[in-house]
Amino acid sequence: QAGLTQPPSVSKGLRQAATLTCTGDSNNVGDQGAAWLQQHQGHPPKLLSYRNNNRLSGISERFSASRSGNTASLTITGLQPDDEADYYCIAWDSSLSAYVFGTGTTVTVL
Amino acid sequence: EVRLVESGGGLVKPGGSLRLSCAASGFSFSNTFMTWARQAPGKGLEWVGRIRRKTDVGTPDYAAPVKDRFTISRDDSKNTLYLEMNNLKIEDTAVYYCLFGDLGEAWGQGTLVTVSS
Repeated sequence: QAGLTQPPSVSKGLRQAATLTCTGDSNNVGDQGAAWLQQHQGHPPKLLSYRNNNRLSGISERFSASRSGNTASLTITGLQPDDEADYYCIAWDSSLSAYVFGTGTTVTVL
Repeated sequence: EVRLVESGGGLVKPGGSLRLSCAASGFSFSNTFMTWARQAPGKGLEWVGRIRRKTDVGTPDYAAPVKDRFTISRDDSKNTLYLEMNNLKIEDTAVYYCLFGDLGEAWGQGTLVTVSS
C-alpha cells in the first residue's frame, strides 16, 4: 500500500535546527495534513502534533509542524541530546480509507 | 491518566490464529476511536486498523495487508479492545500496539507476536 516518504536520517549539531520532511500526495498529506510522532529506542512512540500542526499539551515549543502542498515538515530547533530518536509522520489516505505511516527518520545530534 | 495494556502475544505457527487484548483505563473508552499499529523488529511503524466508537456506527477500517484476516472489535462494558488475527503469516511478526484515538495520543507498551514454524 502507499506510504509516506521520509529521509532515512538527519544529523545536526547540538543546539542547531533540523527540519524533517514527509512527502505524500493529494490523497493523504495534501488532503488533511500529517501528524508527527517521536520514538526513542526501546519505547513506544509519542504523538507530538496533530494533523492541524498543533502541538500536544506538554510538547516543547522547539517542535513545530507545518505543511506545504503534499509535503509535511517537522522542525526541531535548539537540538538537545534527548531529541535523538526516530520520527514518523502519519496521515489519513482517502484513497485507501486507511491511515499510513511515513517510513521514518532517525535524528542524530552530533 | 490514560493507560493501555496489551496482552495475548506469543509464538504461533504460520496459518495459526491469535487474539490480542488491550485493557484501557483513565478515559471514556466508549467515546474514543481506538487503533492497532505494529512494528516489525528493527522496522518502522505500520498502521493495522481502527474501530470507531459506537455512536459513529462502530465500524472498523483495516490496512490492506491484514484485511480479511484480522478483525478489530471492542467491548465497551469491559473497556477492552481486541485484535483477532487469523491465517497468520511470517511477515505478521511484530510488536503490536494499542493506541488511544486515531493518531495515537497514547500508546500501550506493546505485545510481541512471533509467527514462525
